[in-house]
Amino acid sequence: SQTIHQWPATLVQPVGSPLSLECTVEGTSNPNLYWYRQAAGRGLQLLFYSVGIGQISSEVPQNLSASRPQDRQFILSSKKLLLSDSGFYLCAWRTSSYEQYFGPGTRLTVT
Amino acid sequence: GENVEQHPSTLSVQEGDSAVIKCTYSDSASNYFPWYKQELGKGPQLIIDIRSNVGEKKDQRIAVTLNKTAKHFSLHITETQPEDSAVYFCAAQKGPPMDYKLSFGAGTTVTVRA
Repeated sequence: SQTIHQWPATLVQPVGSPLSLECTVEGTSNPNLYWYRQAAGRGLQLLFYSVGIGQISSEVPQNLSASRPQDRQFILSSKKLLLSDSGFYLCAWRTSSYEQYFGPGTRLTVT
Repeated sequence: GENVEQHPSTLSVQEGDSAVIKCTYSDSASNYFPWYKQELGKGPQLIIDIRSNVGEKKDQRIAVTLNKTAKHFSLHITETQPEDSAVYFCAAQKGPPMDYKLSFGAGTTVTVRA
């Protein structure tokens, strides 16, 4: 069966510091991968998606970037965090039948 | 792009009663409609989905209905239990070439009173 991992689970970072969040998927190959952000009490905002290694599409221009160095690894990064980057970051993968499955999430607080 | 509206934003029901959440979508090209349940501090969990060639789908106490003509779909939870308390999101997805993206509703916070 497929499993999706995210780490770290929680992170507190000062403004201006860099960020690296990692997502890995097990049990499937060449999945579509997604990064979402969820502000407190709000809905899901798609940030990036990837259909393959090195192929990244951005939905919202902002202070973040994404990379996919391996088939089942998706990384979300920032060079300098802003207060507005705080939120719950979710990675997801999609099956060939369109179902999207989410990871456990990373709670990021920028202070 | 696709616009998905979800109502109500909050819903409180007595344990054992039914809960209904409704969503409307704007683009008739949408053909896949999943529902997610998100518990506090966790990632959303896919609980049921429906495709445009089906009008209704059931899985134990939950069911989803789709009205393509009216462009709306609904989630029905029967015999609600305290563990059904969560935030529920509906979503809609178009076919190719826009089939990479889910458009989500704003969410419904469901509280089941014991």
